Amino acid sequence: AQKITQTQPGMFVQEKEAVTLDCTYDTSDPSYGLFWYKQPSSGEMIFLIYQGSYDQQNATEGRYSLNFQKARKSANLVISASQLGDSAMYFCAMRPSYSSARQLTFGSGTQLTVLP
Amino acid sequence: EAQVTQNPRYLITVTGKKLTVTCSQNMNHEYMSWYRQDPGLGLRQIYYSMNVEVTDKGDVPEGYKVSRKEKRNFPLILESPSPNQTSLYFCASRMAGGGRRGVNEQFFGPGTRLTVL
Repeated sequence: AQKITQTQPGMFVQEKEAVTLDCTYDTSDPSYGLFWYKQPSSGEMIFLIYQGSYDQQNATEGRYSLNFQKARKSANLVISASQLGDSAMYFCAMRPSYSSARQLTFGSGTQLTVLP
Repeated sequence: EAQVTQNPRYLITVTGKKLTVTCSQNMNHEYMSWYRQDPGLGLRQIYYSMNVEVTDKGDVPEGYKVSRKEKRNFPLILESPSPNQTSLYFCASRMAGGGRRGVNEQFFGPGTRLTVL
């Protein structure tokens, strides 16, 4: 079974500063994918970034980067230069293997508030 | 426009009254799934489908049914809704197979907020 743990129910960050959202995972699968999604107050789920377990480099997508530490089983999301529009709920998720039909396992989420 | 649609977006009903939430995708995706989202629990998978007529239980399937008679549609059926099924429901789809981010990305519908009184 897979498990995702997000230990920060809520986080605050000052506008233009960087913030790290924590995510640890547990799986026995040798190959897996890790995802981060953003859920603004409007409710939709927005894909942010993906990291494959065998990827040599940390994934980056614009202001988002994923700090992947495989030995520690952590996949923290780093948002640089925070903007007011980054205020949202953020979910870490994983899937056991690249080709698995099994869908995503999600963490409980972190509510990020960006302060002006 | 590539999208996953769900209907209705909001629904208030009473205990025991059968209801169906529809889900449709226009991307010819093989995989579809249903999640429910509850405060403090994140999203939990209810059912998923690998293709037409192929479905399987997720983590919280009790009280739900699904069908996949057409590739584009994956309705969620609550035969006898109860108050503990009050939740925000998401349908999602993605392509089959492995690969880089673009292949694995899951597309979510806008969500259906269900209240069972």
